[in-house]
Amino acid sequence: NAGVTQTPKFQVLKTGQSMTLQCAQDMNHNSMYWYRQDPGMGLRLIYYSASEGTTDKGEVPNGYNVSRLNKREFSLRLESAAPSQTSVYFCASSERTGGSANEKLFFGSGTQLSVL
Amino acid sequence: GESVGLHLPTLSVQEGDNSIINCAYSNSASDYFIWYKQESGKGPQFIIDIRSNMDKRQGQRVTVLLNKTVKHLSLQIAATQPGDSAVYFCAETHTGGFKTIFGAGTRLFVKA
Repeated sequence: NAGVTQTPKFQVLKTGQSMTLQCAQDMNHNSMYWYRQDPGMGLRLIYYSASEGTTDKGEVPNGYNVSRLNKREFSLRLESAAPSQTSVYFCASSERTGGSANEKLFFGSGTQLSVL
Repeated sequence: GESVGLHLPTLSVQEGDNSIINCAYSNSASDYFIWYKQESGKGPQFIIDIRSNMDKRQGQRVTVLLNKTVKHLSLQIAATQPGDSAVYFCAETHTGGFKTIFGAGTRLFVKA
């Protein structure tokens, strides 16, 4: 059982380049999330998808776009990368359905992104 | 705005001793609290959770205490082992919401 799988694990971009981070979960979870983790700042929510077909902004959405391709997959796109987007990115999923109590998050192993 | 903070950024304990990691939260509407453990190079992993209608919850070697009066959360690890060395995050959310707010984390060092 793979859980949450993220690709790539490492990426180096030049300022202005674009890229897409891929995430897939095999736990049949309804909700999926993208977080970024910067030193000393914990994890901050970029975007989330409460269910297939819906996406919403989190705390730090500027400079990012997302696509919930199907129930399993949730991608994060940087259209024009900036040095401020250098971070470790984590995808997560949960059973959460909005009205339920299953808010526990399952995380992938992360993508370390450097923007030069 | 909402925030979850930690009292100490690092904690060093002797193997076999008990560890206590503290956390303060500010959102009175939060009713669900979670502790995550993050080992180097990995994503955070769920340890234990507690709902606001409880004061204490125990797991295997871990206990979470919740004091709603002072908005304080703590994680106690009994008989700390080298494998417990990691960064620990407290997080808060509320039923019906999709946004989990994380604290900055506490790094736990276990000395052999």
